[in-house]
Amino acid sequence: GAVVSQHPSWVICKSGTSVKIECRSLDFQATTMFWYRQFPKQSLMLMATSNEGSKATYEQGVEKDKFLINHASLTLSTLTVTSAHPEDSSFYICSAMILSSTDTQYFGPGTRLTVL
Amino acid sequence: QKEVEQNSGPLSVPEGAIASLNCTYSDRGSQSFFWYRQYSGKSPELIMFIYSNGDKEDGRFTAQLNKASQYVSLLIRDSQPSDSATYLCAPYSSASKIIFGSGTRLSIRP
Repeated sequence: GAVVSQHPSWVICKSGTSVKIECRSLDFQATTMFWYRQFPKQSLMLMATSNEGSKATYEQGVEKDKFLINHASLTLSTLTVTSAHPEDSSFYICSAMILSSTDTQYFGPGTRLTVL
Repeated sequence: QKEVEQNSGPLSVPEGAIASLNCTYSDRGSQSFFWYRQYSGKSPELIMFIYSNGDKEDGRFTAQLNKASQYVSLLIRDSQPSDSATYLCAPYSSASKIIFGSGTRLSIRP
């Protein structure tokens, strides 16, 4: 099956610093990747759609200047949380889509961010 | 109105029984649906994809779709403790986005 990796798997940082999270499709090319955020005991909330070679499309209410997304290649998308604050502490999950009749998304293992 | 409605649970089912998970959706234009399973602290994993009315079976899992009633369900036969997780119903939109429901927590009791 399709494999998606994320790095790091967890990160702890001080308030005001920036954190970069990588999402890689290991055995397929993904023109489209998605970034989700999940707070404890809540469902996954789609933050943005990342398209290779173009600007990301953000969902309503997500600050594009705070959550910088770069999709530089067909196998890599990055999410940078700028000037992180404790309320940004969450589980960040990416997914990569295989173009097919079902356009199935495969999820990375997630990155747990804790901002002190 | 939320796009997807699921009973948050927890739904408690004895081991070996059939677990029935239900999902209703508001967009009549939704043509296909994913069922994902998510263990606590982990990311979702795909269980089923269904796009035709009727049933689709895969091992112990059966997805049922009724577009007229805007209803999709997942049946798990011979439930095992390892099936204890949150099950997420998600319609597939034309924009290739998956919008997840809040999920149903399933607990299989030995």
